[in-house]
Amino acid sequence: NAGVTQTPKFQVLKTGQSMTLQCAQDMNHEYMSWYRQDPGMGLRLIHYSVGAGITDQGEVPNGYNVSRSTTEDFPLRLLSAAPSQTSVYFCASRAPAAGELFFGEGSRLTVL
Amino acid sequence: QQQVKQSPQSLIVQKGGISIINCAYENTAFDYFPWYQQFPGKGPALLIAIRPDVSEKKEGRFTISFNKSAKQFSLHIMDSQPGDSATYFCAASINNNDMRFGAGTRLTVKP
Repeated sequence: NAGVTQTPKFQVLKTGQSMTLQCAQDMNHEYMSWYRQDPGMGLRLIHYSVGAGITDQGEVPNGYNVSRSTTEDFPLRLLSAAPSQTSVYFCASRAPAAGELFFGEGSRLTVL
Repeated sequence: QQQVKQSPQSLIVQKGGISIINCAYENTAFDYFPWYQQFPGKGPALLIAIRPDVSEKKEGRFTISFNKSAKQFSLHIMDSQPGDSATYFCAASINNNDMRFGAGTRLTVKP
């Protein structure tokens, strides 16, 4: 039972490069979200989606794009990476009408 | 500015002691208050959660105390064990969406 799978686990980028963090879940969850975790700041919501074709912004959306073409996948795109985007990124999903978020194991991104 | 404020930032307790972590919130529309536990290199996992219609919820050694009028809630870990050493996050959400997290508390339980 895979749950929420994130790839890659580690990535190093140069300033200005673009990349996509992948997230897939096999629990048929409609709701998916992306968080970033930074020391002393907890987890901050970047974007979330309540279903295929629907996305919305969270607390810190600037510099990130998302799309949701299928229920299973919710990729996070960095179009022009900046050092301030160095962080650990977590994808999470939940079942309808349920509060519990299921998190992936994270993707550690370093932007030089 | 964080919508959920958590304290302390770090906590050291002896094995068998009680660990207490506190959170405060401002938005009275929040209707779900979970606590997540995170071990190094892993994603957070739900530990226990409460809705505002009750003042306390207990699951094994873990208890949430909720004070709606004070807009505060806390996690109590009884008989703390070294295996409880982790980072704990409180959180709050409205209609299960847009969950906001506290800054986290790093708990160390000494043998």
